[in-house]
Amino acid sequence: ETGVTQTPRHLVMGMTNKKSLKCEQHLGHNAMYWYKQSAKKPLELMFVYNFKEQTENNSVPSRFSPECPNSSHLFLHLHTLQPEDSALYLCASSHVLGVQETQYFGPGTRLLVL
Amino acid sequence: AQKITQTQPGMFVQEKEAVTLDCTYDTSDQSYGLFWYKQPSSGEMIFLIYQGSYDEQNATEGRYSLNFQKARKSANLVISASQLGDSAMYFCAMREDFGGTSYGKLTFGQGTILTVHP
Repeated sequence: ETGVTQTPRHLVMGMTNKKSLKCEQHLGHNAMYWYKQSAKKPLELMFVYNFKEQTENNSVPSRFSPECPNSSHLFLHLHTLQPEDSALYLCASSHVLGVQETQYFGPGTRLLVL
Repeated sequence: AQKITQTQPGMFVQEKEAVTLDCTYDTSDQSYGLFWYKQPSSGEMIFLIYQGSYDEQNATEGRYSLNFQKARKSANLVISASQLGDSAMYFCAMREDFGGTSYGKLTFGQGTILTVHP
């Protein structure tokens, strides 16, 4: 595997379900990110992890719970979601380098909440 | 005010022609980075090109070039010799320094859908 991978690619869940999204980066980076992309809206940064430590939580509801066990893996645990949470969830990784650091993205998980 | 503005919701171009996608930005930081990403219908965001605020030369990567006009705060993407595979959504993004505390925050524009006609 190369680059940034995400599983599952598609997910349908009910509002009472609990599920997890997984992201893995094979680039040797030390920072990982979760973004949400809804229709008609720009990408929204949700969480940032630098060296496994969460450094940003962009006012995300508690029904989204991130976990970063090491610098290569990132999870997003989902529970009691709402239909408006249906979106494309993108994971990214980068080296922490300042303004020139480039984030590399995975293919995303398309989530539908019924 | 929006930090990143892409005023063209959709653009059309003939195959083999050049096309310019507009991006203007707003920041009070002196140190910042500007990025362009391509998002095909599959969903993955593909990094295309980077321009630093202190870079004196416009960035180029193959058929992609960035027309950076700092005083006007614009960072337009130029795609030369368009190909059918260039049809996708294109996003402009900015990373500000915030005195070294930005922790990887990328701010994205709304995107421009590019359609390349044969």
